[in-house]
Amino acid sequence: DAKTTQPPSMDCAEGRAANLPCNHSTISGNEYVYWYRQIHSQGPQYIIHGLKNNETNEMASLIITEDRKSSTLILPHATLRDTAVYYCIVRVVSTGNQFYFGTGTSLTVIP
Amino acid sequence: DADVTQTPRNRITKTGKRIMLECSQTKGHDRMYWYRQDPGLGLRLIYYSFDVKDINKGEISDGYSVSRQAQAKFSLSLESAIPNQTALYFCATSPSWDPYGYTFGSGTRLTVV
Repeated sequence: DAKTTQPPSMDCAEGRAANLPCNHSTISGNEYVYWYRQIHSQGPQYIIHGLKNNETNEMASLIITEDRKSSTLILPHATLRDTAVYYCIVRVVSTGNQFYFGTGTSLTVIP
Repeated sequence: DADVTQTPRNRITKTGKRIMLECSQTKGHDRMYWYRQDPGLGLRLIYYSFDVKDINKGEISDGYSVSRQAQAKFSLSLESAIPNQTALYFCATSPSWDPYGYTFGSGTRLTVV
């Protein structure tokens, strides 16, 4: 599975959009982009995933560049409860490959 | 009740002791995983199992063993615990076709003194 690069930390003002970037320049054509988050020391929680089209669900939006070498997770109106570590992972779904988590981005939402 | 339950939640044990961490799930998923998390290192895969008769080593299996007693149960054992196995341990599950990825348990915080 392709490796990803994320900034180690970011801050965001409460109520503003949080934009978390991820670089995955070696991504293969059959690899999906997944985002998880981990609040404090709880188990990681699935947020969203996509292949090449932009995706949106009740939690977030995922924007994938046309060349698929990078993506951005958008939390449209960040709250204090969104303070967490966010992991970007690329993975081939069809083979059921395991998720390999990096160190992620620690997002702090500031009141 | 939680979909993925880990027991115990916290455990302190002595060096050299054998300890078992247990994971059970009500998701009906085929696949189960054990991860370890150390501060600043993210999550690392220890073992995984795609069904009851399948066991596979992950990135850091040395010093650990696992048992898949049933589809719903996957236990992790430390045969002789050592202090550098102090960590937060997570169990996760996924179905065979798993577009939405894993469901994680709440974790077991293990301290080896």
